[in-house]
Amino acid sequence: EDQVTQSPEALRLQEGESSSLNCSYTVSGLRGLFWYRQDPGKGPEFLFTLYSAGEEKEKERLKATLTKKESFLHITAPKPEDSATYLCAVPPYNFNKFYFGSGTKLNVKP
Amino acid sequence: DAGVIQSPRHEVTEMGQEVTLRCKPISGHNSLFWYRQTMMRGLELLIYFNNNVPIDDSGMPEDRFSAKMPNASFSTLKIQPSEPRDSAVYFCASSQTGAGNQPQHFGDGTRLSIL
Repeated sequence: EDQVTQSPEALRLQEGESSSLNCSYTVSGLRGLFWYRQDPGKGPEFLFTLYSAGEEKEKERLKATLTKKESFLHITAPKPEDSATYLCAVPPYNFNKFYFGSGTKLNVKP
Repeated sequence: DAGVIQSPRHEVTEMGQEVTLRCKPISGHNSLFWYRQTMMRGLELLIYFNNNVPIDDSGMPEDRFSAKMPNASFSTLKIQPSEPRDSAVYFCASSQTGAGNQPQHFGDGTRLSIL
């Protein structure tokens, strides 16, 4: 059964303390893995798409990487404004809809 | 560029009333998706359209829910009659194609409370 699992559920960091979020998937025939950021009261905001193992994408303090089984979202020297819930999503091979993970709630303290 | 626009942002109504949520996708996007988000179940896909045609409505909870897309720039999600368990945040998203390898872009949602 296709699944997307994110860990940890919640992460508290001090400002400047780097860490990584994990998204593991069992979807066969990967066509892309998508990372989103969601702020309270807002819709998910698209961050990155990764299409193949070994691919990396960067945006400010965020870097997303992809292997054949999982993706990591690395956060370098985070700031309080990076606090949000981060979601990953994967479309299964034969469907055009996304399977979303349950998200990691990141809290960065000043 | 204008993003996905949803209305209303908040809706509070009594059980049994009809609720209509509205969505305007990004211009030029061919696929539109309706999601529901709750703490317990996360983001759930309810239905998606490709070129205004419903493709998969297997996520619609029951017959009380219906969705339409009369043209490329407008979609509605209707609940009739509404029940307290329908309380959630409802999101609309659109993507350029229905190929599954394009990102979906979300609106800011409608927070629905059924009393």
